[in-house]
Amino acid sequence: DQQVKQNSPSLSVQEGRISILNCDYTNSMFDYFLWYKKYPAEGPTFLISISSIKDKNEDGRFTVFLNKSAKHLSLHIVPSQPGDSAVYFCAASARSGGSNYKLTFGKGTLLTVNP
Amino acid sequence: NAGVMQNPRHLVRRRGQEARLRCSPMKGHSHVYWYRQLPEEGLKFMVYLQKENIIDESGMPKERFSAEFPKEGPSILRIQQVVRGDSAAYFCASSLGQGARTEAFFGQGTRLTVV
Repeated sequence: DQQVKQNSPSLSVQEGRISILNCDYTNSMFDYFLWYKKYPAEGPTFLISISSIKDKNEDGRFTVFLNKSAKHLSLHIVPSQPGDSAVYFCAASARSGGSNYKLTFGKGTLLTVNP
Repeated sequence: NAGVMQNPRHLVRRRGQEARLRCSPMKGHSHVYWYRQLPEEGLKFMVYLQKENIIDESGMPKERFSAEFPKEGPSILRIQQVVRGDSAAYFCASSLGQGARTEAFFGQGTRLTVV
């Protein structure tokens, strides 16, 4: 039962262009969403997050958009750089039930930015 | 200021042996989480601990797996009588407070291979 889905296993873009990574979720109790970046043989690194009370959060080249009605979020990277090449994980948590520390991850999308 | 330290980085065990994975949280962090990443999968929550207490072990397999976070020393994830299906990357994370909104920092992981 995959509650957080990243349907694109991989994405390839040219340096300088926009990268758009997508994520869908099924659990309507999720109210906080995060993106993590992971290089090979390293642990995930927090990138950006968004609360369900917002529909957009921006941090430098990274912007996350949330569409609650569609249960969909996306991460935009503009402009993309070769150093952005990594696996990107979408994660979600639910405030209710007292387990707001528990993150549910998608399977990840491998982004390759070509010079 | 060292990050989350996990050791060993790589661990090879024969079927039936015990595996001990260690995690030292970031300085000042008293919340520790363990996640497991099976091949081609996202990270899956296993257990959440505070010093000397298991807060949530809902993601832990019912048998052979145990975790502790003693008053002194690192958190330990222990797997008894390992089987091939235990082969995975095990990530530890720590945070200053509870909740997904409090950023959790991940270690580099321990890659367990059961032969």
